Amino acid sequence: SQQGEEDPQALSIQEGENATMNCSYKTSINNLQWYRQNSGRGLVHLILIRSNEREKHSGRLRVTLDTSKKSSSLLITASRAADTASYFCATVRTDSWGKLQFGAGTQVVVTP
Amino acid sequence: KAGVTQTPRYLIKTRGQQVTLSCSPISGHRSVSWYQQTPGQGLQFLFEYFSETQRNKGNFPGRFSGRQFSNSRSEMNVSTLELGDSALYLCASSLGGALSTDTQYFGPGTRLTVL
Repeated sequence: SQQGEEDPQALSIQEGENATMNCSYKTSINNLQWYRQNSGRGLVHLILIRSNEREKHSGRLRVTLDTSKKSSSLLITASRAADTASYFCATVRTDSWGKLQFGAGTQVVVTP
Repeated sequence: KAGVTQTPRYLIKTRGQQVTLSCSPISGHRSVSWYQQTPGQGLQFLFEYFSETQRNKGNFPGRFSGRQFSNSRSEMNVSTLELGDSALYLCASSLGGALSTDTQYFGPGTRLTVL
């Protein structure tokens, strides 16, 4: 079973716009990670945020974490056609080695 | 540094057969995790190995098994294949250290089709 849900399931934007997707989860976590996947290929790690952190930046990516609401958001600024992909959040529970629990993902399409 | 490699990339089998998938982690990584990805169930954790020991296991039947060698390379075996085993199988490697910062790096996956 999956840990949580992502919202929206799909997102269609134009180049230059910002894309925001949200992730909710159910149990206490150690960290939350975001991954990108292009067309059924391997997952690419984007960013990891620990449970005691509230916000993290990496290039055009901004991730927030609200442990009281058990939710996270990923913002991609100034999107490019190359950002077209599926984005997944994954959580690591405090007692669970090596196990990422993934959400269902958000499919993002960026139109030139 | 070379990334995670998986072999083979594509595999076609028939029901009842068995299959072995291989994963070579990033050099220096001691943890290997396996995941199954299907359109219906999404990404699901199979198991994790660290220093040749299974440290964690998901909710899959006993037909799914794995092992890790002393060089951290890992194999996953599925016996008595069923149609529902058709999926993209992904492995990921990590240092396997502190939970709070341990990042998993994924291979390209093995696409298994069961006919």
